[in-house]
Amino acid sequence: NAGVTQTPKFRVLKTGQSMTLLCAQDMNHEYMYWYRQDPGMGLRLIHYSVGEGTTAKGEVPDGYNVSRLKKQNFLLGLESAAPSQTSVYFCASSYSGGLAGELFFGEGSRLTVL
Amino acid sequence: GQQVMQIPQYQHVQEGEDFTTYCNSSTTLSNIQWYKQRPGGHPVFLIQLVKSGEVKKQKRLTFQFGEAKKNSSLHITATQTTDVGTYFCSSNAGNMLTFGGGTRLMVKP
Repeated sequence: NAGVTQTPKFRVLKTGQSMTLLCAQDMNHEYMYWYRQDPGMGLRLIHYSVGEGTTAKGEVPDGYNVSRLKKQNFLLGLESAAPSQTSVYFCASSYSGGLAGELFFGEGSRLTVL
Repeated sequence: GQQVMQIPQYQHVQEGEDFTTYCNSSTTLSNIQWYKQRPGGHPVFLIQLVKSGEVKKQKRLTFQFGEAKKNSSLHITATQTTDVGTYFCSSNAGNMLTFGGGTRLMVKP
């Protein structure tokens, strides 16, 4: 049982390049989330999904796009990377939102944009 | 912006001393969750509080949810070096789970 798996774990991009981060969960969870973590800023929600085929904006969605074509996968895309997007990205999933929303996190993806 | 604010941002303690982190909100919260993140690791769920005035314990950790459901605290008794990490509170705003800025705990052996 792998839980939540993120790929890649590390990536270096040049400004303007595009890339996709993949999150996969094997717990049959409905809810999935993408967060970014910067020093002193805690975890900020980028986008989230409450089920297959649905996505919604979080606190800091600009510059990112997401897709949830399959229930187990949640993709985070950067169309034109900027240095301000240098961060550690965490994917998380939960069985449901609301009061039962314990999050299970992946190990993180460290992205550097030069 | 963040729904919940955490203080302090950093805390250095001597091993064996107690530690408390606080989570505050200007609005009534439906629940509070607490997570721990070890250095270089990912956040791991500790507990969820839902009821007004709720108190829960996990060994040396005591979690409280305020009577007005606008604040919460995590208290660690007699810290150990294994307690090192950043502690986050979080709360639901609809389907979104937003996090406080975290309190980084450093323990001197």
